[in-house]
Amino acid sequence: NAGVMQNPRHLVRRRGQEARLRCSPMKGHSHVYWYRQLPEEGLKFMVYLQKENIIDESGMPKERFSAEFPKEGPSILRIQQVVRGDSAAYFCASSPPARRGTGELFFGEGSRLTVL
Amino acid sequence: GQQLNQSPQSMFIQEGEDVSMNCTSSSIFNTWLWYKQDPGEGPVLLIALYKAGELTSNGRLTAQFGITRKDSFLNISASIPSDVGIYFCAGQRGGGADGLTFGKGTHLIIQP
Repeated sequence: NAGVMQNPRHLVRRRGQEARLRCSPMKGHSHVYWYRQLPEEGLKFMVYLQKENIIDESGMPKERFSAEFPKEGPSILRIQQVVRGDSAAYFCASSPPARRGTGELFFGEGSRLTVL
Repeated sequence: GQQLNQSPQSMFIQEGEDVSMNCTSSSIFNTWLWYKQDPGEGPVLLIALYKAGELTSNGRLTAQFGITRKDSFLNISASIPSDVGIYFCAGQRGGGADGLTFGKGTHLIIQP
């Protein structure tokens, strides 16, 4: 049973470009979370999605960031017009329906975004 | 926003020593969790605590959910080289919809 798959593992963008990060949850998991980690910091919650629904986006910046989890295909975190401050590791996590609300998450290996 | 104060920031210990780290908050959490992150990897869940006062073990790891629901500690007994990494505490307020609040981590370094 494959774990949470994220790609790309590393992404380099110039200021003003768009970054798209993909996440395929573990098989059978219908809940996806995105977190951001700055160097030497803990993870910061961004958004929580179920298939075709955004449940909680209280941690998402109001502008330039969006997330989706379509009926078919991976969840995507999209950052438009990237700035240097967006450079970070972005982690996706998933959980099965039965463990919703427990905080028990399975994390991917992360996507490391560098903005030049 | 909510903050978790995790200490110590780093620990340098000898193999075989016991380790203790803790996490405090100014607000109440209904769930406390401890995760470990290795370099270049995502965090992995170690222990989850759901009741105030709860003491839970997982092998050489023991964690407690503080009675006030504002703190938690993690102990590692008889440390081994593979214990090296960053340990994060995390709290969840509850309700099922909100994400976890993480501490800044404790770097554990084991000296030969």
